[in-house]
Order: sequence, then C-alpha cells, then structure tokens
Amino acid sequence: QVQLVQSGAEVKKPGASVKVSCKASGYTFTSYGISWVRQAPGQGLEWMGWISAYNGNTNYAQKLQGRVTMTTDTSTSTAYMELRSLRSDDTAVYYCARDRLGLGSGGYYYYGMDVWGQGTTVTVSS
Amino acid sequence: QSALTQPASVSGSPGQSITISCTGTSSDVGSYNLVSWYQQHPGKAPKLMIYEVSKRPSGVSNRFSGSKSGNTASLTISGLQAEDEADYYCCSYAGSSTSLVFGGGTKLTVL
Repeated sequence: QVQLVQSGAEVKKPGASVKVSCKASGYTFTSYGISWVRQAPGQGLEWMGWISAYNGNTNYAQKLQGRVTMTTDTSTSTAYMELRSLRSDDTAVYYCARDRLGLGSGGYYYYGMDVWGQGTTVTVSS
Repeated sequence: QSALTQPASVSGSPGQSITISCTGTSSDVGSYNLVSWYQQHPGKAPKLMIYEVSKRPSGVSNRFSGSKSGNTASLTISGLQAEDEADYYCCSYAGSSTSLVFGGGTKLTVL
C-alpha cells in the first residue's frame, strides 16, 4: 500500500541541526512531490516547504528560508528535511506528505496532501 | 504570508449540517481554485478531505463538500456524526513564491 514512513523522535539542543527522513513506498516516487508540515504543541499546521521528487526543485516558506533544506534520494525513494540553528519554538511534530502541484493547459492544479507520514517529534531543549 | 482565517470552533448536533469558513485574500483563495481541507483527530496525522475547492478523494464520504466564493472557501459537513468531531484545516495555493498557506484550524464539536 502507499505509505510514508518517517524516522524516529529527536531531542536536540538549541543551535543544533536535525535531519528527518521520509521513506516512500507503494507508488512511483518521482511522480509526486513531498511537502513538509509541522505542528507545534497545541497549535495548528504550518507548511514548511515542498520538494519535487522528479527534479529536486524546492520552495521553502519565507520564515524558514536559510535554515531549512529539503532533499530527496530517488535510489531509495526517501525525502529528507534538515532544519538548522534550532530554537525552542522549533519544538513540534514534523510531517511529510505526498502531493502534486503543477501547471497544465487548464492552469494550475493541486491534488492536495493525500498521503501523510506518521509524524516525527522534534524536541529542542537545553 | 499570513495564515488563512478560520473560526476557532463550530458545533452541531448529530444529523445536522455545519459549515466552516476559510477567508484569505485575492493573492491566495481568491486567485486560485486550489483550496484543500484536512481533518485531524487528536494525536493523528491529518487526512485530506477536499482538494481543488470541491473535489473529494476516493474514500471520503459525500457528506463532505467544498465551495468557494471570492476570497472565502467553505467546508460543509452534512448529516453530522460523532466521528466527525475533529480539527479541520483549510489550505490554499498562494502563488509560486509562497506556494501553500494553512488556516489556523477549526475545532468541530458534535454535541
């Protein structure tokens, strides 16, 4: 079945970096993109950015520009999200989600985030 | 990019219908028919309920429907059931430089 499996929980100190993985299975990895979404404790969803698994193109949320890097390894159908210079307010559950955004003859299309990983808890604490 | 605006909470009785609004701007909701809606139960990953304003993914009940007028999108749930109690988030495409933006979320209580 189609699924995304994320790496395990992380505890980091302020100023450190974290790299979360998201392994895809059950579909053609390069036919979709991967969005990363985080959710701080008791808060709403925040879109962090997106990467095309087809060509590696990325688009990051402005507030995270310069601190976040998203990559893929097509040989293992795995996406990665690295966040640097961690702060306490980066404490959150981090999700990867499959999606597909594109520009066709009829204009833009976006099929939504239809498959989600189980989430990875990242705790930033001294 | 500011988050889309949703009511913090809505409620309804079993069998009733409720509507959750999602207000954006002419740069996001108003410019693109690319609004999606997600349901999230406590401790679980979100689930896609609606995409491209009004399309339902396979397996999603037809009790869930979406619409849009101007800068405001709406999710309607008819025939409310106890299992519909959850948080709901809207999300819109906002152009190539911003890409996606979520609403603040709405907690639905089934009385």
